[in-house]
Amino acid sequence: QKEVEQDPGPLSVPEGAIVSLNCTYSNSAFQYFMWYRQYSRKGPELLMYTYSSGNKEDGRFTAQVDKSSKYISLFIRDSQPSDSATYLCAMSGPYGNKLVFGAGTILRVKS
Amino acid sequence: DVKVTQSSRYLVKRTGEKVFLECVQDMDHENMFWYRQDPGLGLRLIYFSYDVKMKEKGDIPEGYSVSREKKERFSLILESASTNQTSMYLCASSPQQGNQPQHFGDGTRLSIL
Repeated sequence: QKEVEQDPGPLSVPEGAIVSLNCTYSNSAFQYFMWYRQYSRKGPELLMYTYSSGNKEDGRFTAQVDKSSKYISLFIRDSQPSDSATYLCAMSGPYGNKLVFGAGTILRVKS
Repeated sequence: DVKVTQSSRYLVKRTGEKVFLECVQDMDHENMFWYRQDPGLGLRLIYFSYDVKMKEKGDIPEGYSVSREKKERFSLILESASTNQTSMYLCASSPQQGNQPQHFGDGTRLSIL
């Protein structure tokens, strides 16, 4: 079993929809949670960075962490065609900077 | 903004060649990382470095080595390239303090023929 599970999709939604992207994990030591967006032929860029449980909002993006369920989510409101990309979740424990990544979810927003 | 620059976007090499992939960051970060990214497998850590001349094996170091002679530069070396090393290679950096997120370059797509 992988340490971080993420549905690869593709997830296809109409423009303006609310998108929910999710990851589950098995290691209860994870405390830092990230979402990266990766456009085709580009490197991952950091979207959201959260510590422990709770919500964090940044514009149209909301990151949610539920440590009791070992489940994290990224919500995108009013999705746009420019949001079409692969979204990677990543997480790390309390000591060190090594990240564990999900396999990534391909999102397609259709106009 | 953090800038991580990988020297080549696309590279084609032959089996058995020694291949060098270069990465430079401009934010004085202590930590640097090399990953490979393959469809369905996500990002897998090859090697990382916490300081100059220091290196640690990641999850898949076999067939690779690294060099960090200067703080801003981290090189990945394929000692004798094989076709199963065809992949997207990503370099990342992060500061030493706390659990800071990593910042990535745009990757090198390497094909081994």
